[in-house]
Amino acid sequence: KAGVTQTPRYLIKTRGQQVTLSCSPISGHRSVSWYQQTPGQGLQFLFEYFSETQRNKGNFPGRFSGRQFSNSRSEMNVSTLELGDSALYLCASSPALSGRAEETQYFGPGTRLLVL
Amino acid sequence: AQSVSQHNHHVILSEAASLELGCNYSYGGTVNLFWYVQYPGQHLQLLLKYFSGDPLVKGIKGFEAEFIKSKFSFNLRKPSVQWSDTAEYFCAVIASGGYQKVTFGTGTKLQVIP
Repeated sequence: KAGVTQTPRYLIKTRGQQVTLSCSPISGHRSVSWYQQTPGQGLQFLFEYFSETQRNKGNFPGRFSGRQFSNSRSEMNVSTLELGDSALYLCASSPALSGRAEETQYFGPGTRLLVL
Repeated sequence: AQSVSQHNHHVILSEAASLELGCNYSYGGTVNLFWYVQYPGQHLQLLLKYFSGDPLVKGIKGFEAEFIKSKFSFNLRKPSVQWSDTAEYFCAVIASGGYQKVTFGTGTKLQVIP
């Protein structure tokens, strides 16, 4: 099975722009979660989607949004970028066979975003 | 809401030394616990997990962790580290039985000196 894929892998944007990141989960996985990873902050949970619905949301401003499509692929959007948004954005999928996100999460390689 | 603390931010060991990385969580109910590892330039991957049963769980590459419910701890151990264990280690917790989010600790960077 192919792993979690994320595109693009690297991105450079300027303040005020917006960006869309994409995540394709492992085939058959229904839950997709997004994290922001920065030095010193570790992984901070952004949101989790299951069956096209956002089930959980972290403590990020409304500039961060996401969605999930019927094929479980997910996108994350950040509007009005700020310098502090520079980070590695990780996507993780899990089977969620029972509908719960308790199973192991499988991570993608991440998208490294640099905001200038 | 649950939280996770990893008190060691940076650990430096010589090869063959024993390793113990601390992880404490805060949550009043039943939890599932994980340790993930991120080797330089690689994806985060699962090292081991505890859902229920034997509180001593064994993972890949000789790692093990012990869940001590009374101490809200899930420390990671390895009797003899190798240079290839140099990586960042993350403890994570999720409340079981519901649609909860996974909470990660801030990570511990392990550097093993040959």
